Amino acid sequence: GAGVSQSPSNKVTEKGKDVELRCDPISGHTALYWYRQSLGQGLEFLIYFQGNSAPDKSGLPSDRFSAERTGGSVSTLTIQRTQQEDSAVYLCASSLELNTEAFFGQGTRLTVV
Amino acid sequence: AQSVTQLDSHVSVSEGTPVLLRCNYSSSYSPSLFWYVQHPNKGLQLLLKYTSAATLVKGINGFEAEFKKSETSFHLTKPSAHMSDAAEYFCVVSGYNQGGKLIFGQGTELSVKP
Repeated sequence: GAGVSQSPSNKVTEKGKDVELRCDPISGHTALYWYRQSLGQGLEFLIYFQGNSAPDKSGLPSDRFSAERTGGSVSTLTIQRTQQEDSAVYLCASSLELNTEAFFGQGTRLTVV
Repeated sequence: AQSVTQLDSHVSVSEGTPVLLRCNYSSSYSPSLFWYVQHPNKGLQLLLKYTSAATLVKGINGFEAEFKKSETSFHLTKPSAHMSDAAEYFCVVSGYNQGGKLIFGQGTELSVKP
């Protein structure tokens, strides 16, 4: 595709439910990143992928968060048993390779009620 | 370890006056440096990038940044602010000693007064 695509764009879920966020990177991009942005805050690193491997998972806030990437393309971020503090905009980005410019999707706004 | 410090959380300028958004980085190796802009309720857009070529980097919308290794700085400038420049700006560092992870500064909110 022309850019990084994220779905859904908005998600409202009840506390305790699981949610899955999807990211379609730019075709051919080997690196993929997930970040979280809370209201009025900067960007919090969650995880990144080089191909299908995740060398650095240090940013995942808890074991309720997991992510995978298949076929070197689509990635899903799963949050289990959502909590209100999980409410944020989840941003995905991809880059041709590591340490090159990353292109961001429009984000998924998650609201946990 | 790498880190990024944006020295001002908020900058306010008048339309037509110069813009200066300050960024200092810490890196053990030659870093890659980027500036991104985020307009309200919009995604992040790359403004410009430094990747060890020219130290003065020109970006979109008239912005430019100068890499100064001796000062470990990568300040963003624009000669004349426009109302449409009002947004949040993020300085970002990346490098092989961090495995390619993008490290974001806390952001600088730019306001432009008529």
